[in-house]
Amino acid sequence: EAQVTQNPRYLITVTGKKLTVTCSQNMNHEYMSWYRQDPGLGLRQIYYSMNVEVTDKGDVPEGYKVSRKEKRNFPLILESPSPNQTSLYFCASSLSRFSYEQYFGPGTRLTVT
Amino acid sequence: AQSVTQLGSHVSVSEGALVLLRCNYSSSVPPYLFWYVQYPNQGLQLLLKYTTGATLVKGINGFEAEFKKSETSFHLTKPSAHMSDAAEYFCAVSESNFGNEKLTFGTGTRLTIIP
Repeated sequence: EAQVTQNPRYLITVTGKKLTVTCSQNMNHEYMSWYRQDPGLGLRQIYYSMNVEVTDKGDVPEGYKVSRKEKRNFPLILESPSPNQTSLYFCASSLSRFSYEQYFGPGTRLTVT
Repeated sequence: AQSVTQLGSHVSVSEGALVLLRCNYSSSVPPYLFWYVQYPNQGLQLLLKYTTGATLVKGINGFEAEFKKSETSFHLTKPSAHMSDAAEYFCAVSESNFGNEKLTFGTGTRLTIIP
């Protein structure tokens, strides 16, 4: 089954404790991205990747890191999480940057205390 | 810079009634326009998209939207609401000379269906 998977689905952590949210797709997609969803703000792009080893900042990159060493994986790293990073995070992928149908993962709900 | 405005963060309609969700955009170049749906506890799913050609586009689950350049609008409609349509709907815009990296989402409209 074609899908985007994220792990973990739920995470409660404390300020400053490094964490990684994994994202994997099995559709051989070139383009992958991370969004955060906050009430009243919709989805905002954190980082995106057009292909392996090609990543760039989205609209809200502060406090996040990403890497794209393999085509299928695009982990989101929070080196020192803070409470303002409490949010619902979505990973998405598409065939290419010009293929506008993005496939979204199920989401990761992160709480930072 | 492009932007999207969705009028009404919450919309309630009776089962069988017309669904109308409003979206207005601003873009300095011809836009590409999208509607995504998010069911509870799930990721977003593409409902329909407009890139070029026919301005009335049909999507999944009986939804359609019309691109009106003069009104800078891309409203989503469905003639008869079904209970399964209850979800959050997001309008999004991308400028035609960019790809997904420039996709801007609206703040969403939560649709409630009244039995």
